[in-house]
Amino acid sequence: DGGITQSPKYLFRKEGQNVTLSCEQNLNHDAMYWYRQDPGQGLRLIYYSQIVNDFQKGDIAEGYSVSREKKESFPLTVTSAQKNPTAFYLCASSIGQIYGYTFGSGTRLTVV
Amino acid sequence: GQQLNQSPQSMFIQEGEDVSMNCTSSSIFNTWLWYKQEPGEGPVLLIALYKAGELTSNGRLTAQFGITRKDSFLNISASIPSDVGIYFCAGQLSQGNLIFGKGTKLSVKP
Repeated sequence: DGGITQSPKYLFRKEGQNVTLSCEQNLNHDAMYWYRQDPGQGLRLIYYSQIVNDFQKGDIAEGYSVSREKKESFPLTVTSAQKNPTAFYLCASSIGQIYGYTFGSGTRLTVV
Repeated sequence: GQQLNQSPQSMFIQEGEDVSMNCTSSSIFNTWLWYKQEPGEGPVLLIALYKAGELTSNGRLTAQFGITRKDSFLNISASIPSDVGIYFCAGQLSQGNLIFGKGTKLSVKP
């Protein structure tokens, strides 16, 4: 079955460490997205990519980095520069920008 | 950036009641989408609307694309406990990414 997979589901890191969240899709979607979700804040766009080897900053890109070396994969690195990294992170993909997004099941990152 | 105003923020209802929530914007959208998110999971697409005035149903869910293209509503009839979750609206302008509302958290008392 086609889908979008995020791993791990839960991640704990010490303050000051970089951490990379995985996102893989086998839907043959061109576009991929990373969102951050905090209670009561809705979904905030971190980075998005419409095509391999290209990506753009979203509304809250500071302290994050991404790569898109393969169509199927869009990993997100939360760097030590991110002031408040504890959150629920969602990855999504779409055929193009005009269609609905398919979301992964999320990664809950806790930094202690 | 663009904003979607989604209301209400939260609802506490009795099982069997009908539910209504809506999203409004000052911008004109080409597409409206409604998602449901259960605790600890990613949002799942419920209904997609592509034309002004369009009314679409999915089981007990009904959504409409407003005539002005600046709003949309979602109704849930005869709510059941598994309807619990956060419902998000999302709209798309002529170009660009989806813009999400902040969500309506629904609680259902059996």
